[in-house]
Amino acid sequence: GQNIDQPTEMTATEGAIVQINCTYQTSGFNGLFWYQQHAGEAPTFLSYNVLDGLEEKGRFSSFLSRSKGYSYLLLKELQMKDSASYLCAVRGGSYIPTFGRGTSLIVHP
Amino acid sequence: DVKVTQSSRYLVKRTGEKVFLECVQDMDHENMFWYRQDPGLGLRLIYFSYDVKMKEKGDIPEGYSVSREKKERFSLILESASTNQTSMYLCASRGRQGNTGELFFGEGSRLTVL
Repeated sequence: GQNIDQPTEMTATEGAIVQINCTYQTSGFNGLFWYQQHAGEAPTFLSYNVLDGLEEKGRFSSFLSRSKGYSYLLLKELQMKDSASYLCAVRGGSYIPTFGRGTSLIVHP
Repeated sequence: DVKVTQSSRYLVKRTGEKVFLECVQDMDHENMFWYRQDPGLGLRLIYFSYDVKMKEKGDIPEGYSVSREKKERFSLILESASTNQTSMYLCASRGRQGNTGELFFGEGSRLTVL
């Protein structure tokens, strides 16, 4: 089975940097995904890591350490529109993604 | 643009009714998925399909069935709806594993069972 853990809620200030952590235990590993979901909308793909290290995409970066079963999503220069839920998903040996419970990020002025 | 369309955004049904949730994708994707999303529980996989006529149980298949008669369409069926099936249902599709293999989600169907 798979176990994925991420904080339930985080708050941050506009313009700041926030790091959302995700730890996982899985049988087999074929990649880790981050999705963003605004209230009432569909989740949308943000990033994918399969090798150790940092992947940068504009204001968003995602890091993976396979040996530690750990990933984080880093959001820089926070904007109000970044208020959303951030979903960590791990693709295990079956190539089927399993999702964590999501982290609700609230950005305030 | 990639498109996954779920037929109904909001449904209200009565206990015992048969419910059909339809999902159509226009990307010629092989894989399709049905998840339900509940507060505090995240997305949980109900069923998925690797290709036409194929289906596999996910983590919580009890009380649900699916149908994949055409590649673009994946239907979720609640044979006899119950109040504990009140939830947001999300359909997703995925192409072959040539790229990252991310999921493309529909807008969701919010089902209330009274």
